[in-house]
Amino acid sequence: NAGVTQTPKFQVLKTGQSMTLQCAQDMNHEYMSWYRQDPGMGLRLIHYSVGAGITDQGEVPNGYNVSRSTTEDFPLRLLSAAPSQTSVYFCASSYSEGVGETQYFGPGTRLLVL
Amino acid sequence: AQSVSQHNHHVILSEAASLELGCNYSYGGTVNLFWYVQYPGQHLQLLLKYFSGDPLVKGIKGFEAEFIKSKFSFNLRKPSVQWSDTAEYFCAVTPYSGAGSYQLTFGKGTKLSVIP
Repeated sequence: NAGVTQTPKFQVLKTGQSMTLQCAQDMNHEYMSWYRQDPGMGLRLIHYSVGAGITDQGEVPNGYNVSRSTTEDFPLRLLSAAPSQTSVYFCASSYSEGVGETQYFGPGTRLLVL
Repeated sequence: AQSVSQHNHHVILSEAASLELGCNYSYGGTVNLFWYVQYPGQHLQLLLKYFSGDPLVKGIKGFEAEFIKSKFSFNLRKPSVQWSDTAEYFCAVTPYSGAGSYQLTFGKGTKLSVIP
């Protein structure tokens, strides 16, 4: 298994541009999520999905859009990039173990918005 | 909403020293607890987790953590650190509702620097 994969690894955008960060997992996990990591802030949840066709907002959803048409893929869309969205973005997936879920993280996408 | 506090922003140790990183959370119900490690330039890797049962959990690379429910704490320990343990360590918590516990709340992280 490749696990959780993310593309691109690094991206530079200009303010106002849009783009999609890709995330895919081959473990048939039902749950997927997007986090952003900023220095001194830890990771903060942007959006999550509990299955195909079902998404919900996390702690910091503004400026981001998601959809989940398949179990494997969970793309994150930046509608109009702003410098405040400069960050490292991590995608994660998990499955139920009966008494909890463990999230497995992808390698991340480093985004710079000028 | 739950929150997670990691008391130390940056810890510097010499090799072979013992390590204890503090983590406290604020949530009154049942929780699932995690420690993740992030080596420089890499993604988060799971060190260990607590769901239920024995409050002393052992993870990879000689790390362990103890869940003390009365103190809302889940401190990470290692008896003897190595230079290769240099990394950032994150504590995370999610409330367990039985219907799925999907939203991890992370602490701000503790950077560990181990001096050879």
